[in-house]
Amino acid sequence: SAVISQKPSRDICQRGTSLTIQCQVDSQVTMMFWYRQQPGQSLTLIATANQGSEATYESGFVIDKFPISRPNLTFSTLTVSNMSPEDSSIYLCSVGTEANYGYTFGSGTRLTVV
Amino acid sequence: EDQVTQSPEALRLQEGESSSLNCSYTVSGLRGLFWYRQDPGKGPEFLFTLYSAGEEKEKERLKATLTKKESFLHITAPKPEDSATYLCAVWGRNDYKLSFGAGTTVTVRA
Repeated sequence: SAVISQKPSRDICQRGTSLTIQCQVDSQVTMMFWYRQQPGQSLTLIATANQGSEATYESGFVIDKFPISRPNLTFSTLTVSNMSPEDSSIYLCSVGTEANYGYTFGSGTRLTVV
Repeated sequence: EDQVTQSPEALRLQEGESSSLNCSYTVSGLRGLFWYRQDPGKGPEFLFTLYSAGEEKEKERLKATLTKKESFLHITAPKPEDSATYLCAVWGRNDYKLSFGAGTTVTVRA
């Protein structure tokens, strides 16, 4: 299965600033997803990162707050913009292919906004 | 909308005490049901995918089964290293995204 490198692994940020999280995969993948996991909660899908086109956002998430890029089939970024303490969460990148729908997750980015 | 309910929320076991976790789901056309293990501070680790009712899969002390309405994750003779949160997710016919349950946190005492 694909191996995902997600950076940074953790960060502490000031409110009002932005943080960009990177997701690098060791092979080409069809699907890339970004999830949020708030403390003590399960995973919530933020958006599907589409290669060559705008990301598809889930209800409650907007592009201005969570802009996503996917320039190729192995890389994506998620930016958390104008952060507030409510954005403190773990952000996870996930990938899948038609050959293997056992979606693989990165190790996550633990974000604390102060 | 796809829905996944996991029970119990938490499970405390003695080493060697077998038990089962439940994942009940409603989905429009199940394409796959996934089980993951998540350790604190880490991303979910894929365990199994089940595609059709009656299917079973095993890995070490874990066995996953699937019916038309629910899935069970059986833990046989657990060890302390089996302590983790176990997540269930479903993949429906309408798109590629997964819908996750809230998870069951398992603690195994030596």
